[in-house]
Amino acid sequence: DQQVKQNSPSLSVQEGRISILNCDYTNSMFDYFLWYKKYPAEGPTFLISISSIKDKNEDGRFTVFLNKSAKHLSLHIVPSQPGDSAVYFCAASAERSTGNQFYFGTGTSLTVIP
Amino acid sequence: EPEVTQTPSHQVTQMGQEVILRCVPISNHLYFYWYRQILGQKVEFLVSFYNNEISEKSEIFDDQFSVERPDGSNFTLKIRSTKLEDSAMYFCASTRRQYGTDTQYFGPGTRLTVL
Repeated sequence: DQQVKQNSPSLSVQEGRISILNCDYTNSMFDYFLWYKKYPAEGPTFLISISSIKDKNEDGRFTVFLNKSAKHLSLHIVPSQPGDSAVYFCAASAERSTGNQFYFGTGTSLTVIP
Repeated sequence: EPEVTQTPSHQVTQMGQEVILRCVPISNHLYFYWYRQILGQKVEFLVSFYNNEISEKSEIFDDQFSVERPDGSNFTLKIRSTKLEDSAMYFCASTRRQYGTDTQYFGPGTRLTVL
């Protein structure tokens, strides 16, 4: 039961250009979305988040866009840098009274070519 | 910067053996989680833990799994009788607050290999 989907397993982008990573979700109860970055042999590292009351959140080179009607979010990285090469996971959760469960997508492996 | 730590980084075990994976969450965090990632697949939620009780668990977290906080710092995941399909990366995570708007901080993971 994949409630969060990342349909592109990999993406290659030239250094300096924009990277766009996409994520779709099916559960309309989700109200909080995050992007995590993961290097090999390390745990996921929080990158940026967005609440369902917003449609955009920006943090430096990273911007997340949320389209609730389409149940779609995207992560924009501009300009892309070689150090951005990693696997990016989209995650979603619904605010609950206890024990939030985060649902993860399968990840998109981003390669930024120097 | 505080971080979540996990030991061991790699555990190799024979099928049917018990394993205990250890985690030290960030010290002022109150909510703890275990996730796993089978090679090439998505990160999957196993269990969340608060106030010395399981808050939520997934269907993956069956009777073979258990968690506990034996002291004020460690958070452990025990698999009683490992199966080949338990081979995966296991990630521990923690948050300060219970609400969905709080970020989960992940440890580096333990790679479990069941032979």
